Amino acid sequence: KAGVTQTPRYLIKTRGQQVTLSCSPISGHRSVSWYQQTPGQGLQFLFEYFSETQRNKGNFPGRFSGRQFSNSRSEMNVSTLELGDSALYLCASGRGGAEAFFGQGTRLTVV
Amino acid sequence: KNEVEQSPQNLTAQEGEFITINCSYSVGISALHWLQQHPGGGIVSLFMLSSGKKKHGRLIATINIQEKHSSLHITASHPRDSAVYICAVSRPGGGADGLTFGKGTHLIIQP
Repeated sequence: KAGVTQTPRYLIKTRGQQVTLSCSPISGHRSVSWYQQTPGQGLQFLFEYFSETQRNKGNFPGRFSGRQFSNSRSEMNVSTLELGDSALYLCASGRGGAEAFFGQGTRLTVV
Repeated sequence: KNEVEQSPQNLTAQEGEFITINCSYSVGISALHWLQQHPGGGIVSLFMLSSGKKKHGRLIATINIQEKHSSLHITASHPRDSAVYICAVSRPGGGADGLTFGKGTHLIIQP
């Protein structure tokens, strides 16, 4: 069975632009969570979606948003990019319990 | 103080050695995860534990709920085990939402 797929794998954007990242969960999984990983802060929780509803949100500014579609695929959007948004963005899918299967991540560089 | 503490931060060992990585947490949890991250970013979920002990190949994970402590052991270590090992906890209420991560242990196994 296919794993969690994140696209694109690498992205370079300019300050002030916006970006959309995509995550396709494992078939049958209805929960998708997003995480940001930076050298300084490590892994931090962004938000979690379950059946198209945001269930929980981490401590990030409103420039970070997300959504989930009826097929459980999820997108996250970052508007007005800042240099500090450069990070590895990971998503994880699950059936709604504590399990988490991670994707390969999208490495975003803001210049 | 971080809610999830790992030790050591860095570990270099020779091939064949028995490896132990420790994780202590200070919050109530529903499950504890051990994750592996190779250079390039993708995270692999190794174990999810809520009690006792689990074994998969050369990897063993244990958890002591009363002491709020978990260990990850690698027997007969091999250079391909070189990676960052991350401990994460799920809060009660379930969901991959709100996973809280340790800073990771950077393991290098030398041939």
